[in-house]
Amino acid sequence: GAVVSQHPSWVICKSGTSVKIECRSLDFQATTMFWYRQFPKQSLMLMATSNEGSKATYEQGVEKDKFLINHASLTLSTLTVTSAHPEDSSFYICSARGYRDFTDTQYFGPGTRLTVL
Amino acid sequence: DQQVKQNSPSLSVQEGRISILNCDYTNSMFDYFLWYKKYPAEGPTFLISISSIKDKNEDGRFTVFLNKSAKHLSLHIVPSQPGDSAVYFCAARVATNKLIFGTGTLLAVQP
Repeated sequence: GAVVSQHPSWVICKSGTSVKIECRSLDFQATTMFWYRQFPKQSLMLMATSNEGSKATYEQGVEKDKFLINHASLTLSTLTVTSAHPEDSSFYICSARGYRDFTDTQYFGPGTRLTVL
Repeated sequence: DQQVKQNSPSLSVQEGRISILNCDYTNSMFDYFLWYKKYPAEGPTFLISISSIKDKNEDGRFTVFLNKSAKHLSLHIVPSQPGDSAVYFCAARVATNKLIFGTGTLLAVQP
């Protein structure tokens, strides 16, 4: 099946620093990738849609200057949390749009746990 | 405004029995519905999906039923196995390919 990786799997940083998270589709090309965040015991909330070669589309309430998204190739999208603060601590998950059994679906990475001290 | 709802936060079932997970939605523009399984600190794993033009889709032990008039879908797992224990999310897709997730149901299958 389709495989999506994320790196790093967890990161601890000091308040005010920036953190970059990578999302790669390993065995297929993904023109569209998505970034989600999940708070404990809550649902996955879509942050932005990342399209290869163009600007990301952010959901309402998500600061695009704080969460920088770059989709430079068909297999890589990056999310940079700039000037991170403790309230940015969360579980960040990416997904890549792909096809399985002729069904258009999303394949998810394993997630990245960000803790901002 | 929660467009996709899973009203049961948890469900406990005996091994071998049927697990039924429910999901309700409010937006009639959703064109696809998906079920994902998720373990703690991992990304969701795709299980099964159904188009809005169908009312049933089956894949092995997993069957998804869609009742459009009631805006309700359910996932049936039979027979349930201990390895099925996880959080199950239903998700609905809008035409722009965005997924709207429900809040999840924690399934515990007792040996």
